[in-house]
Amino acid sequence: DTAVSQTPKYLVTQMGNDKSIKCEQNLGHDTMYWYKQDSKKFLKIMFSYNNKELIINETVPNRFSPKSPDKAHLNLHINSLELGDSAVYFCASRPTGGEGETQYFGPGTRLLVL
Amino acid sequence: SQQGEEDPQALSIQEGENATMNCSYKTSINNLQWYRQNSGRGLVHLILIRSNEREKHSGRLRVTLDTSKKSSSLLITASRAADTASYFCATDYVKLTFGTGTRLTIIP
Repeated sequence: DTAVSQTPKYLVTQMGNDKSIKCEQNLGHDTMYWYKQDSKKFLKIMFSYNNKELIINETVPNRFSPKSPDKAHLNLHINSLELGDSAVYFCASRPTGGEGETQYFGPGTRLLVL
Repeated sequence: SQQGEEDPQALSIQEGENATMNCSYKTSINNLQWYRQNSGRGLVHLILIRSNEREKHSGRLRVTLDTSKKSSSLLITASRAADTASYFCATDYVKLTFGTGTRLTIIP
């Protein structure tokens, strides 16, 4: 009954490959996010979706393409992986409006590009 | 960059002591939030303080906010070994912008 789940937990791959990370939330939230946490623990937003629509797109290379098939899922596809993509990627969700500013984070996907 | 700064970067204290972490930011905010991250885990929300509030309590946590100085502090009283984690402040204005984090170690 995990609230926000991500798969896989660990991902080791070669430079140049294409990979996807999946995220699902069972909280009924309208808004979902992808964050990247680098080796220095800096956490930065990448994308935000509200009800399957893209609302925030930070200056992320277009090799990163989020896809939201429904409001409970937000997947991240990465093309032509580079060494600098190695990081921990967190998915998060939150309800819209009212007291719902709290974000709920998934456990993270640790990506290592060799 | 809008990223906030947290001070100190690392803090080690004895169990039972109080721990204080500070956060400074640069932009306007709707609210400011504190999150905890245990090693190898995701972030967990601790407490939220709105821009029109000055102080808030939750259990052993006390948060203050000074919007004139664009700063906030998190106080954890009577620390426990289980409080060992990284603590991040995050300002909320359109999106969450996280600080650099304070690594807190509680020594049993």
